[in-house]
Amino acid sequence: DAKTTQPTSMDCAEGRAANLPCNHSTISGNEYVYWYRQIHSQGPQYIIHGLKNNETNEMASLIITEDRKSSTLILPHATLRDTAVYYCIVRVGEYGNKLVFGAGTILRVKS
Amino acid sequence: DGGITQSPKYLFRKEGQNVTLSCEQNLNHDAMYWYRQDPGQGLRLIYYSQIVNDFQKGDIAEGYSVSREKKESFPLTVTSAQKNPTAFYLCASSMAIGELFFGEGSRLTVL
Repeated sequence: DAKTTQPTSMDCAEGRAANLPCNHSTISGNEYVYWYRQIHSQGPQYIIHGLKNNETNEMASLIITEDRKSSTLILPHATLRDTAVYYCIVRVGEYGNKLVFGAGTILRVKS
Repeated sequence: DGGITQSPKYLFRKEGQNVTLSCEQNLNHDAMYWYRQDPGQGLRLIYYSQIVNDFQKGDIAEGYSVSREKKESFPLTVTSAQKNPTAFYLCASSMAIGELFFGEGSRLTVL
């Protein structure tokens, strides 16, 4: 199963872009990269996912390298409410349903 | 509104007792999952089910049991065989390919 590696924690100034890196060097060609975040004591929230093209939605942008071995989640204008644990996940399993969560990155947005 | 409902939100159990956590979804999702989260840790997969009457063990299934008799329901039983059951339990559901929707979680404490 493909695994991901993320920094343990990061700080970001309020209003600035937060760039969260993820390494997934063993990813297979048909595996998607998903990002979720978890605010303390709540269920994780879906942010974005992609296969090989860059993706953008109302929450964030996902930049995937051409070799697909790493990706970066970008929160363009971080706010204090973006303080959370961010999980980078590669979708694995026979039918592509099983998601394996690592420890994630604790993002602290500071005023 | 569509979503996932977990109950109870908080549960206390004496050692040696079985306890069942409820998870119901009205999203018409095929797949459902149970995760466990310990303080400061990521999520670990206990069981998952891709269709009714079928489920697979995740990474930490020992001491747990599930059933999937109906599409909308995926209850988790924490048995007395689970040696360290105190944790935050999260249920999720998804279509075959797509984002996971999580419930708000159930916090189990063994007294």
